[in-house]
Amino acid sequence: GQQLNQSPQSMFIQEGEDVSMNCTSSSIFNTWLWYKQDPGEGPVLLIALYKAGELTSNGRLTAQFGITRKDSFLNISASIPSDVGIYFCAGQLRGSNYKLTFGKGTLLTVNP
Amino acid sequence: DSGVTQTPKHLITATGQRVTLRCSPRSGDLSVYWYQQSLDQGLQFLIQYYNGEERAKGNILERFSAQQFPDLHSELNLSSLELGDSALYFCASSARQGAYEQYFGPGTRLTVT
Repeated sequence: GQQLNQSPQSMFIQEGEDVSMNCTSSSIFNTWLWYKQDPGEGPVLLIALYKAGELTSNGRLTAQFGITRKDSFLNISASIPSDVGIYFCAGQLRGSNYKLTFGKGTLLTVNP
Repeated sequence: DSGVTQTPKHLITATGQRVTLRCSPRSGDLSVYWYQQSLDQGLQFLIQYYNGEERAKGNILERFSAQQFPDLHSELNLSSLELGDSALYFCASSARQGAYEQYFGPGTRLTVT
């Protein structure tokens, strides 16, 4: 199936630092979603993007739908300990109707 | 709390057995999606139902089946279980067919011994 390449796989940062992660693909996506998953829980939707070039914020989180429609970026500013978790990108591939394809996740560790 | 509920939270069973996982979507949501999450494969889409009808299939094995009932809750049936079926199984729901904002339940952790 289609793959989303999410990077980095893991990040270790200090509290207060900014974080960037991204997802790329060789295919065109119509929608990009970003989720956060805490251990033992289900993914929680953070941001949804529907148009190429769209930039959307949710508090300290900002995500962008790449102009080529083949990538998306998530930035977290001024990280805090509760930002720890796994961040997933998910995309709706053009022509795939209802199916979401997920990246493998970025594990974020924040050192207080 | 996403509003999506799943039971049971944990399930331990033996190879060859059959289990049923249950999901109740958010109030008013018509679409239910099932996902499998394992360490090596990540989150894999299994199947989607909309208002009782199957709408999309992903990487779902023939040993697995699902249905959505008139009250919109859904069940995922896993049979002839193998060790490799051990994983987290998530249900997600969305408000309308094709809505891409999916809200996930807390998951069922299945361990096959």
